[in-house]
Amino acid sequence: DAKTTQPNSMESNEEEPVHLPCNHSTISGTDYIHWYRQLPSQGPEYVIHGLTSNVNNRMASLAIAEDRKSSTLILHRATLRDAAVYYCIKAAGNKLTFGGGTRVLVKP
Amino acid sequence: EAEVAQSPRYKITEKSQAVAFWCDPISGHATLYWYRQILGQGPELLVQFQDESVVDDSQLPKDRFSAERLKGVDSTLKIQPAELGDSAMYLCASSGAIGYGYTFGSGTRLTVV
Repeated sequence: DAKTTQPNSMESNEEEPVHLPCNHSTISGTDYIHWYRQLPSQGPEYVIHGLTSNVNNRMASLAIAEDRKSSTLILHRATLRDAAVYYCIKAAGNKLTFGGGTRVLVKP
Repeated sequence: EAEVAQSPRYKITEKSQAVAFWCDPISGHATLYWYRQILGQGPELLVQFQDESVVDDSQLPKDRFSAERLKGVDSTLKIQPAELGDSAMYLCASSGAIGYGYTFGSGTRLTVV
């Protein structure tokens, strides 16, 4: 079962939006797309998830391509506390399989 | 906000010794997971429980690792004997129904010397 593909790292300036891309070309019709982030020495933290439609919550927005083969996590205004590794996960049933994630650096 | 509790937070053990980690999931969450995370890598699933039953332990090194969730609530992961390569963060997570997010604990950082 192929994992997702993400860039290794991205940089952003504080107060600016961050767009994190993810490719999941092998996604099936029932797989959810999850995003988690992990700060140093902590467990992963749930950010957002979706199936087909775009999703918004207090932390971020998730834009899902119409063919569902890719998605983008959007942090609307990056803060220094958003610096973390962000994982895009194609969830098959009730099982999360992590890839390497994207390390986000936020510059003041 | 409900949390997944894990203990100990840190553990140092000598190789060939036994070590155990404990996890208490969010109340009502039927599914419990143990992940191992080597420094610089993403978490890797070791075992998945649905209530007290194991539903996936394909990546669990069964010659030295064991996991149980006897009453379908809290869970214990054991390593015996520990090897140097077992040094990692061990994460526990729980979830409710399919389609909902997972909640992770803070993990146990294991160092084998």
